[in-house]
Amino acid sequence: GENVEQHPSTLSVQEGDSAVIKCTYSDSASNYFPWYKQELGKRPQLIIDIRSNVGEKKDQRIAVTLNKTAKHFSLHITETQPEDSAVYFCAASRPAGGTSYGKLTFGQGTILTVHP
Amino acid sequence: DSGVTQTPKHLITATGQRVTLRCSPRSGDLSVYWYQQSLDQGLQFLIQYYNGEERAKGNILERFSAQPFPDLHSELNLSSLELGDSALYFCASSAGLAGGEQYFGPGTRLTVL
Repeated sequence: GENVEQHPSTLSVQEGDSAVIKCTYSDSASNYFPWYKQELGKRPQLIIDIRSNVGEKKDQRIAVTLNKTAKHFSLHITETQPEDSAVYFCAASRPAGGTSYGKLTFGQGTILTVHP
Repeated sequence: DSGVTQTPKHLITATGQRVTLRCSPRSGDLSVYWYQQSLDQGLQFLIQYYNGEERAKGNILERFSAQPFPDLHSELNLSSLELGDSALYFCASSAGLAGGEQYFGPGTRLTVL
């Protein structure tokens, strides 16, 4: 089955710096890659996603890039703010069919701390 | 607010007991997913229902079972509880069968003593 590796496990930056979190996936059939932000004790919140027919997607200060050949995708946060501090999870899923359907396979998470 | 509701927010129970967690998807969503989040295992997929039918199963223990209902809400039943079952249980929903945005509910925090 799918395996998603996420690095780094912790990331500490100064306010205003950029942060980059990287994920690799194993299943070449995966075609949907969302990123979630989770604050302590709260639900994961979808912040951005990308599909396999696109190489890059941007939404204000966050962007995601996808390299299908290398099977990795990355989250980029620019001009970080203290409220960006949270745990970030990448995930991957396959298209409908087989036995996987829409299940998300998550990376292990990255604890991002933005220091004022 | 994602539009996905879960009850209860917290559950504290003893080993060997049985509990039921409830989830209502966003209006119009046909897929309902259950995930378990524990410190050592991270976010793990348990089961998916699409339009009330089971479509995919993950590493769901035999002691756990999920049940869909005609109005598409879902219940997750956990029995013969063990200390290791303590975790956050999330429900998520999406519009279609696969490859679409999944929105998570607030979760149920289960503590087994």
